[in-house]
Amino acid sequence: EVQLVESGGGLVKPGGSLRLSCAASGFTFSSHRMNWVRQAPGKGLEWVSCINNWGSEIYYADSVKGRFTISRDNAKTSLYLQMNSLRVEDTAVYYCARAGDSGFEWDHWGQGTLVTVSS
Amino acid sequence: SSELTQDPAVSVALGQTVRITCQGDSLRSYYASWYQQKPGQAPVLVIYNRNYRPSGIPDRFSGSSSGNTASLTITGTQAEDEADYYCNSRDSGTNYYVFGAGTKVTVL
Repeated sequence: EVQLVESGGGLVKPGGSLRLSCAASGFTFSSHRMNWVRQAPGKGLEWVSCINNWGSEIYYADSVKGRFTISRDNAKTSLYLQMNSLRVEDTAVYYCARAGDSGFEWDHWGQGTLVTVSS
Repeated sequence: SSELTQDPAVSVALGQTVRITCQGDSLRSYYASWYQQKPGQAPVLVIYNRNYRPSGIPDRFSGSSSGNTASLTITGTQAEDEADYYCNSRDSGTNYYVFGAGTKVTVL
């Protein structure tokens, strides 16, 4: 059974940093692109970042470029999101999502971890 | 970057058919994926590559695409289909991804 379990969320002050993790199991982690998607309270889904199988292709939404860094450790079957210079508007539930075979659909999602940026 | 436009809300009688649309320039180049999200839960993929259903998704869910518009149709809508539905595609000309704002489906 495919499982994605996010951790690392919490309360942080504006300008602070946080590192999210996503532990993957039940599939060959190194065979799949991975994504981070977030959802602000009461709002829609927003794609944040994606990384290819080996970490050689990485892309970010404009809203987080230069502040967030996505990475992965295939040996540990884990995905990460380092978030620096956090802003109030980064407050959201952050989901990790596995890309399916075509790479464009996200066929498994974690339950999310809440990041709250507030003074 | 491109945008995907969805109607904010739609209602459907139990057992009837509802179609949700998603419009955007990126849909001329890429198929939409559709996600169902119920309150307090993570999104679930229901349709991808125009009309493919992941295992476990009922066949009352179907997808189609024409030009810049993708559609998700629920035939014989059940009470458990009440949820928010989001379309998503790759942004044409970039390596970004874009979501529609979501359509809230209410089952009467």
